[in-house]
Amino acid sequence: QLQLQESGPGLVKPSETLSLTCTVSGGSISSNSDYWGWLRQPPGKGLDWIGCIYYTGSTYYNPSLKSRVTISLDTSKNQFSLRLSSVTAADTAVYYCARHPPYFGSGKYDYWGLGTLVTVSS
Amino acid sequence: QSALTQPPSVSGSPGQSVTVSCSGTSSDVGRYNRVSWYQQAPGTAPRVIIYDVSNRPSGVPDRFSGSKSGNTASLTISGLQAEDEADYYCNSYTSSSTYVFGTGTKVTVL
Repeated sequence: QLQLQESGPGLVKPSETLSLTCTVSGGSISSNSDYWGWLRQPPGKGLDWIGCIYYTGSTYYNPSLKSRVTISLDTSKNQFSLRLSSVTAADTAVYYCARHPPYFGSGKYDYWGLGTLVTVSS
Repeated sequence: QSALTQPPSVSGSPGQSVTVSCSGTSSDVGRYNRVSWYQQAPGTAPRVIIYDVSNRPSGVPDRFSGSKSGNTASLTISGLQAEDEADYYCNSYTSSSTYVFGTGTKVTVL
């Protein structure tokens, strides 16, 4: 059974960079042609798609965040990561990592982490 | 890209059917048959219940069904049950090779 778990600081200062890691167990992130994604949900609000990375390293980002986002793979650790720069209070949210099986476009994020709350505050 | 438009809330009695709409544009919902739906209970991660407009992942009850007409997709819950009370979000693939979510709908079982 595939499992995903987010980790990283729960508090980030404004203008700094938010960094999160998703550790995958029960399967390899470098096989099966899967996509690995990040999504977020501000407290009391709806879901927001941040972006994803293909097992080959190709990336897809939300246009509204593209200038600040980087998603990367670390196949040696079976992890993928999110970096979001120049954060503001508007980036306060529960951040989820999730798996998207082939093909990209189906919208089928079928395995999710539990989510981690990141608060942006000085 | 703008969020897809969903009604804030819908409600129904046990056993009834309810439909949640999801309105987009010709660049997302209307362009491809690539709409998915997610169910989210309070304090939990979302769960995909429909993908590619009308396909159900294994384990999802067949009382959940999806459809699309033009720029609007719909999720229908037939034979509403108490456990169906949750927030529901639509999601669409876009012409920019990205995804966009809907604003979310709270389904209440009366």
